Amino acid sequence: KAGVTQTPRYLIKTRGQQVTLSCSPISGHRSVSWYQQTPGQGLQFLFEYFSETQRNKGNFPGRFSGRQFSNSRSEMNVSTLELGDSALYLCASSKGLPYSTDTQYFGPGTRLTVL
Amino acid sequence: DQQVKQNSPSLSVQEGRISILNCDYTNSMFDYFLWYKKYPAEGPTFLISISSIKDKNEDGRFTVFLNKSAKHLSLHIVPSQPGDSAVYFCAASAGGSNYKLTFGKGTLLTVNP
Repeated sequence: KAGVTQTPRYLIKTRGQQVTLSCSPISGHRSVSWYQQTPGQGLQFLFEYFSETQRNKGNFPGRFSGRQFSNSRSEMNVSTLELGDSALYLCASSKGLPYSTDTQYFGPGTRLTVL
Repeated sequence: DQQVKQNSPSLSVQEGRISILNCDYTNSMFDYFLWYKKYPAEGPTFLISISSIKDKNEDGRFTVFLNKSAKHLSLHIVPSQPGDSAVYFCAASAGGSNYKLTFGKGTLLTVNP
Protein backbone atom coordinates (compact mmCIF):
# COMPACT_ATOMS: atom_id res chain seq x y z
CA LYS A 1 0.00 0.00 0.00
CA ALA A 2 1.49 3.35 -1.00
CA GLY A 3 2.07 5.84 1.77
CA VAL A 4 1.19 9.51 2.01
CA THR A 5 2.88 11.54 -0.69
CA GLN A 6 3.57 15.26 -0.69
CA THR A 7 4.71 17.51 -3.49
CA PRO A 8 6.90 19.37 -3.89
CA ARG A 9 9.46 18.24 -1.32
CA TYR A 10 11.32 21.55 -1.31
CA LEU A 11 10.20 25.04 -2.19
CA ILE A 12 11.83 28.46 -2.07
CA LYS A 13 9.67 31.57 -2.28
CA THR A 14 10.03 35.26 -1.51
CA ARG A 15 8.00 37.37 0.89
CA GLY A 16 4.62 38.38 -0.45
CA GLN A 17 4.28 35.44 -2.83
CA GLN A 18 1.79 32.65 -2.42
CA VAL A 19 2.36 28.91 -2.44
CA THR A 20 0.31 25.75 -2.93
CA LEU A 21 1.33 22.42 -1.45
CA SER A 22 -0.20 19.08 -2.38
CA CYS A 23 -0.91 15.91 -0.42
CA SER A 24 -2.15 12.53 -1.62
CA PRO A 25 -3.42 10.34 1.22
CA ILE A 26 -3.21 6.59 1.62
CA SER A 27 -5.79 4.86 -0.54
CA GLY A 28 -9.07 4.55 1.34
CA HIS A 29 -8.29 7.34 3.78
CA ARG A 30 -10.80 10.17 3.75
CA SER A 31 -9.23 12.50 6.31
CA VAL A 32 -6.25 14.72 5.61
CA SER A 33 -4.69 16.89 8.32
CA TRP A 34 -2.00 19.51 7.85
CA TYR A 35 0.68 20.44 10.38
CA GLN A 36 3.42 23.05 10.50
CA GLN A 37 6.75 22.14 12.10
CA THR A 38 9.17 24.87 13.17
CA PRO A 39 12.14 24.67 15.55
CA GLY A 40 10.53 27.07 18.01
CA GLN A 41 6.92 25.91 18.03
CA GLY A 42 7.24 22.24 17.18
CA LEU A 43 4.43 20.50 15.32
CA GLN A 44 1.25 22.55 15.20
CA PHE A 45 -2.11 21.57 13.77
CA LEU A 46 -3.30 23.72 10.86
CA PHE A 47 -6.57 22.14 9.71
CA GLU A 48 -8.24 18.89 8.77
CA TYR A 49 -10.43 17.94 5.85
CA PHE A 50 -12.87 15.08 5.62
CA SER A 51 -15.05 14.36 2.60
CA GLU A 52 -14.14 17.71 1.02
CA THR A 53 -15.18 19.69 4.13
CA GLN A 54 -12.98 21.42 6.66
CA ARG A 55 -13.84 19.71 9.91
CA ASN A 56 -11.26 21.22 12.26
CA LYS A 57 -9.08 24.29 12.25
CA GLY A 58 -6.08 25.31 14.34
CA ASN A 59 -5.00 28.79 15.41
CA PHE A 60 -3.45 30.07 12.22
CA PRO A 61 -4.27 33.27 10.32
CA GLY A 62 -6.58 33.29 7.33
CA ARG A 63 -3.59 33.39 4.99
CA PHE A 64 -3.45 29.64 5.52
CA SER A 65 -6.20 27.81 3.68
CA GLY A 66 -6.84 24.43 2.18
CA ARG A 67 -9.21 22.28 0.25
CA GLN A 68 -9.89 18.65 -0.44
CA PHE A 69 -10.98 17.04 -3.66
CA SER A 70 -13.40 14.21 -4.25
CA ASN A 71 -10.51 11.73 -4.49
CA SER A 72 -9.39 12.85 -0.98
CA ARG A 73 -6.28 14.59 -2.29
CA SER A 74 -5.72 17.86 -0.49
CA GLU A 75 -3.99 21.13 -1.18
CA MET A 76 -2.82 23.76 1.23
CA ASN A 77 -2.34 27.38 0.22
CA VAL A 78 -0.43 30.14 1.97
CA SER A 79 -0.89 33.65 0.64
CA THR A 80 1.25 36.74 1.23
CA LEU A 81 4.16 34.72 2.53
CA GLU A 82 6.11 35.97 5.55
CA LEU A 83 9.59 35.00 6.69
CA GLY A 84 8.04 33.21 9.67
CA ASP A 85 6.20 30.85 7.35
CA SER A 86 9.46 29.05 6.66
CA ALA A 87 8.80 25.57 8.02
CA LEU A 88 8.31 21.92 7.27
CA TYR A 89 4.67 21.35 6.29
CA LEU A 90 3.43 17.87 6.99
CA CYS A 91 0.26 16.23 5.95
CA ALA A 92 -1.22 13.16 7.56
CA SER A 93 -4.01 10.88 6.45
CA SER A 94 -6.36 8.63 8.35
CA LYS A 95 -9.76 7.01 7.93
CA GLY A 96 -11.13 9.95 9.90
CA LEU A 97 -13.40 7.88 12.07
CA PRO A 98 -14.28 9.52 15.37
CA TYR A 99 -14.06 7.70 18.68
CA SER A 100 -11.79 5.00 17.36
CA THR A 101 -8.16 4.01 17.46
CA ASP A 102 -7.76 5.47 14.01
CA THR A 103 -4.13 6.44 13.45
CA GLN A 104 -2.66 9.27 11.42
CA TYR A 105 0.08 8.41 8.95
CA PHE A 106 2.38 11.19 7.89
CA GLY A 107 3.94 12.10 4.58
CA PRO A 108 7.60 13.17 4.23
CA GLY A 109 6.72 16.86 4.30
CA THR A 110 7.37 19.90 2.14
CA ARG A 111 10.23 22.13 3.26
CA LEU A 112 9.23 25.75 2.53
CA THR A 113 11.84 28.48 2.71
CA VAL A 114 10.71 32.09 2.48
CA LEU A 115 13.41 34.62 1.58
CA ASP B 1 0.04 27.48 26.38
CA GLN B 2 1.77 24.16 25.80
CA GLN B 3 -0.71 21.37 26.52
CA VAL B 4 1.74 18.54 25.84
CA LYS B 5 5.23 18.87 27.25
CA GLN B 6 8.35 16.86 26.73
CA ASN B 7 10.74 18.39 29.20
CA SER B 8 13.87 16.57 28.09
CA PRO B 9 15.10 17.88 24.73
CA SER B 10 17.59 15.05 24.50
CA LEU B 11 18.47 11.66 25.98
CA SER B 12 21.56 9.52 25.50
CA VAL B 13 21.51 5.76 26.23
CA GLN B 14 23.87 2.82 25.73
CA GLU B 15 22.88 0.10 23.30
CA GLY B 16 21.04 -2.73 25.08
CA ARG B 17 19.88 -0.57 27.98
CA ILE B 18 16.41 0.85 28.58
CA SER B 19 15.36 4.21 27.13
CA ILE B 20 12.61 6.06 28.99
CA LEU B 21 11.02 9.06 27.32
CA ASN B 22 8.59 11.17 29.31
CA CYS B 23 5.63 13.33 28.45
CA ASP B 24 3.27 15.46 30.56
CA TYR B 25 -0.05 16.96 29.56
CA THR B 26 -2.35 19.56 31.05
CA ASN B 27 -5.61 19.13 29.15
CA SER B 28 -7.95 16.79 31.06
CA MET B 29 -9.97 16.25 27.89
CA PHE B 30 -7.15 14.30 26.22
CA ASP B 31 -8.17 10.67 26.02
CA TYR B 32 -5.89 9.17 23.40
CA PHE B 33 -2.12 9.34 23.33
CA LEU B 34 0.43 8.40 20.71
CA TRP B 35 4.16 8.27 20.22
CA TYR B 36 5.78 9.02 16.89
CA LYS B 37 9.39 8.67 15.83
CA LYS B 38 10.96 11.05 13.35
CA TYR B 39 14.17 10.84 11.37
CA PRO B 40 15.60 13.94 9.66
CA ALA B 41 14.00 14.75 6.28
CA GLU B 42 11.17 12.27 6.91
CA GLY B 43 7.67 12.58 8.30
CA PRO B 44 6.82 11.21 11.77
CA THR B 45 6.27 7.44 11.92
CA PHE B 46 3.61 6.05 14.25
CA LEU B 47 5.03 3.85 17.01
CA ILE B 48 2.46 3.05 19.63
CA SER B 49 -0.69 4.47 21.19
CA ILE B 50 -2.75 4.16 24.33
CA SER B 51 -6.33 4.97 25.21
CA SER B 52 -7.16 6.64 28.50
CA ILE B 53 -9.07 3.54 29.62
CA LYS B 54 -5.77 1.66 29.82
CA ASP B 55 -2.61 2.25 31.81
CA LYS B 56 -0.22 0.20 29.72
CA ASN B 57 0.20 -0.90 26.13
CA GLU B 58 2.98 -3.04 24.79
CA ASP B 59 4.24 -3.71 21.29
CA GLY B 60 7.49 -5.61 21.00
CA ARG B 61 10.31 -3.55 22.45
CA PHE B 62 8.02 -0.56 23.01
CA THR B 63 5.78 -0.06 26.03
CA VAL B 64 3.74 3.03 26.83
CA PHE B 65 2.57 3.73 30.37
CA LEU B 66 -0.19 6.18 31.23
CA ASN B 67 -0.73 7.72 34.65
CA LYS B 68 -3.96 9.71 34.34
CA SER B 69 -3.91 11.12 37.86
CA ALA B 70 -0.45 12.59 37.25
CA LYS B 71 -1.26 13.47 33.63
CA HIS B 72 1.95 11.72 32.65
CA LEU B 73 2.92 9.14 30.09
CA SER B 74 6.18 7.46 29.27
CA LEU B 75 7.62 5.37 26.47
CA HIS B 76 9.99 2.55 27.38
CA ILE B 77 12.25 1.02 24.74
CA VAL B 78 13.92 -2.23 25.78
CA PRO B 79 16.52 -3.08 24.65
CA SER B 80 17.58 0.12 22.93
CA GLN B 81 19.27 -0.21 19.54
CA PRO B 82 21.35 2.32 17.54
CA GLY B 83 18.58 2.38 14.90
CA ASP B 84 16.24 3.81 17.55
CA SER B 85 18.20 7.08 17.44
CA ALA B 86 15.65 9.68 16.32
CA VAL B 87 13.38 12.42 17.64
CA TYR B 88 10.41 11.04 19.55
CA PHE B 89 7.17 13.01 19.72
CA CYS B 90 4.38 12.52 22.20
CA ALA B 91 0.93 13.47 20.88
CA ALA B 92 -2.57 13.61 22.30
CA SER B 93 -6.13 13.99 21.08
CA ALA B 94 -9.49 14.66 22.70
CA GLY B 95 -13.04 13.53 22.20
CA GLY B 96 -12.37 11.05 19.43
CA SER B 97 -10.75 13.69 17.22
CA ASN B 98 -7.75 11.55 16.44
CA TYR B 99 -7.21 13.54 13.28
CA LYS B 100 -6.32 16.64 15.31
CA LEU B 101 -3.24 15.93 17.34
CA THR B 102 -1.48 18.15 19.86
CA PHE B 103 2.24 17.41 19.88
CA GLY B 104 5.05 17.88 22.35
CA LYS B 105 8.25 19.45 21.07
CA GLY B 106 10.09 16.16 20.91
CA THR B 107 13.01 14.39 22.58
CA LEU B 108 16.14 13.52 20.63
CA LEU B 109 17.17 9.98 21.58
CA THR B 110 20.72 8.90 20.85
CA VAL B 111 21.59 5.25 21.36
CA ASN B 112 25.32 4.74 21.50
CA PRO B 113 26.85 1.44 20.29
